[in-house]
Amino acid sequence: AQTVTQSQPEMSVQEAETVTLSCTYDTSENNYYLFWYKQPPSRQMILVIRQEAYKQQNATENRFSVNFQKAAKSFSLKISDSQLGDTAMYFCALGTTSGTYKYIFGTGTRLKVLA
Amino acid sequence: GAGVSQTPSNKVTEKGKYVELRCDPISGHTALYWYRQSLGQGPEFLIYFQGTGAADDSGLPNDRFFAVRPEGSVSTLKIQRTERGDSAVYLCASSLISLAGGTGELFFGEGSRLTVL
Repeated sequence: AQTVTQSQPEMSVQEAETVTLSCTYDTSENNYYLFWYKQPPSRQMILVIRQEAYKQQNATENRFSVNFQKAAKSFSLKISDSQLGDTAMYFCALGTTSGTYKYIFGTGTRLKVLA
Repeated sequence: GAGVSQTPSNKVTEKGKYVELRCDPISGHTALYWYRQSLGQGPEFLIYFQGTGAADDSGLPNDRFFAVRPEGSVSTLKIQRTERGDSAVYLCASSLISLAGGTGELFFGEGSRLTVL
């Protein structure tokens, strides 16, 4: 069975500071994707960043970067220079590239950026 | 359309009634997913379509839930004899899946909030 665990239900960070959100996962697949999605109060889920499991280099998208530790099955998200607009729920997700391509989501971390 | 469209955005119904929720995916996306999201929780997988067929319906909670995608584009999630516990936001997502490898990104709609009184 595949699982995704986010152990931080809520976090807060001061504007312009850096915050790291944790995620661990479990899968028996060798090929898979990992994602961080953002869900603001408007409800629509937006992709923040994606990591292919076969790539050793950590993905980076502007202020967002990941620390992907494949052996430890860990996939944390670092947000640098936090902005008020980063306030949202953040979900870690696992998607396999074989079988039925089911995507499994964690329970989320509610991030609040403080002015 | 440019994005995934879901209707209605909000639906209030009475216990025991029948409900249909519609999803119009991004044009050309072959994969379509339905998720259910309860308050404060992550999206819970319900069913996945590849083209017209349901490739994986293992997440449907019981036989009151059914989904179709007859022409490989628009999908309808159908809930019979609704119960108060069915109240949630129902999210639809589409993806361009390629056996040779794709981006793997899911594109979500804004969801349909179902409230069963």
